[in-house]
Amino acid sequence: QVLLQQSGPGLVKPSQTLSLSCAISGDSVSTNDAAWSWIRQSPSRGLEWLGRTYFRSRWHFEYATSMRGRLTLHPDTSQNRLSLQLTSVKPEDTAVYYCARWMHAQSFFDVWGQGALVTVSP
Amino acid sequence: QSVLSQPPSASGTPGQRVTISCSGTSFNIGKNFVSWYQQLPGKAPRLLIYADVQWPSGVPDRFSGSKSGTSASLAINGLQSEDEADYYCAAWDDNFAQLAFGGGTKLTVL
Repeated sequence: QVLLQQSGPGLVKPSQTLSLSCAISGDSVSTNDAAWSWIRQSPSRGLEWLGRTYFRSRWHFEYATSMRGRLTLHPDTSQNRLSLQLTSVKPEDTAVYYCARWMHAQSFFDVWGQGALVTVSP
Repeated sequence: QSVLSQPPSASGTPGQRVTISCSGTSFNIGKNFVSWYQQLPGKAPRLLIYADVQWPSGVPDRFSGSKSGTSASLAINGLQSEDEADYYCAAWDDNFAQLAFGGGTKLTVL
């Protein structure tokens, strides 16, 4: 059974960097069959895909257009986890953040983390 | 505004059949697999349908998916009170090179 356990602060100040972690059990962050994604959800934006990383001979990183320049994903093979760093956060980055496993062959998210509410506020 | 369009709400009575539509373009639904997710209040989304029409294990066959051209649909047969939730469609978008979600449909069981 694959489980994703998220961790990170619930409150971040504007202009600071948001860091979240997603610990993977039951699979490997460097598996060839899946990609590891971050998705967020807010009442104003609904579900919003932020980006993903996957390993196919080398690491690949793909980011949503709205996130390019601010978002970086870090796969950690030693601890089998995925981290997210979002710089220069704004109040509109307030959302529930999820990590999820994306299965490439048939294009779906089959496992989700529990979600983490992040509030951007002074 | 979401790349994939869903009606914001739908409703039905227990036992009824309800369908939820998801409209896209030739860059997303017209070219790539559609998946559907159910989200209960305070919970993470749960996979309902993948590859347009497939069920993951554990999902009742009351749920079914279909696709035609640039539109997809989720059907729920024999509606039950526990089906009251938000439903989202998703597909990879080749134009934007990113994953697109629908805006979500809130299903109410009357």
